[in-house]
Amino acid sequence: EVQLVESGGTLIQPGGSLRLSCAASGFSVSSNYMSWVRQAPGKGLEWVSVIYAGGSTYYADSVRGRFTISRDIPKSAVNLQMNSLRAEDTAVYYCARGIDNGDYAMAFNIWGQGTMVTVSS
Amino acid sequence: EIVMTQSPATLSVSPGERATLSCRASQSVSINLAWYQQKPGQAPRLLIYGASARAAGIPARFSGSGSGTEFTLTISSLQSEDFAVYYCQQYNNWPPRITFGPGTKVDIK
Repeated sequence: EVQLVESGGTLIQPGGSLRLSCAASGFSVSSNYMSWVRQAPGKGLEWVSVIYAGGSTYYADSVRGRFTISRDIPKSAVNLQMNSLRAEDTAVYYCARGIDNGDYAMAFNIWGQGTMVTVSS
Repeated sequence: EIVMTQSPATLSVSPGERATLSCRASQSVSINLAWYQQKPGQAPRLLIYGASARAAGIPARFSGSGSGTEFTLTISSLQSEDFAVYYCQQYNNWPPRITFGPGTKVDIK
């Protein structure tokens, strides 16, 4: 079964760092475009970052320079290193996979259940 | 950044009725447009991609149309399980700058 399971969310102080992980099963993270999408409490969806099958990475303007996406192929995981956290980073963070590696790589048909990150003193 | 807008913000519909949701992009996104359904406490679920292609397992009562800057999601006959928030998303940019609309909440009339 194709599945994504996020972990690592917690309460953290402003300025702190946190690493989220997304464990994939049923497919290889090295062969798919993997994204992180977040949702602040009571708000809409915001795309955060993507790592392409070839390893290229891209970020939303709001997190560029603070967040880093990576993958651990042997562990079949995708990680999101978050530094210099701000209150506005408070959200549920979802890991998501695109339909394919072509035209629909950024249409997400597989989602994890999400992990909550709260940035507060 | 391509800004996505959705209307209406809330749509009140009776079960069995037709629902029409609109999504507009601030510039052309061709057909690089997806629709998602989200229920409270759940992850989003992909309904439509490529503006009009139904994702696997999505009932035929969901249909998408449009291209360029104007898009529509139609639910032909609302079922009780369809009451949720619906988001549109564009994925047309290079480099990728994916953006979502603010959502339309479909609730029971």
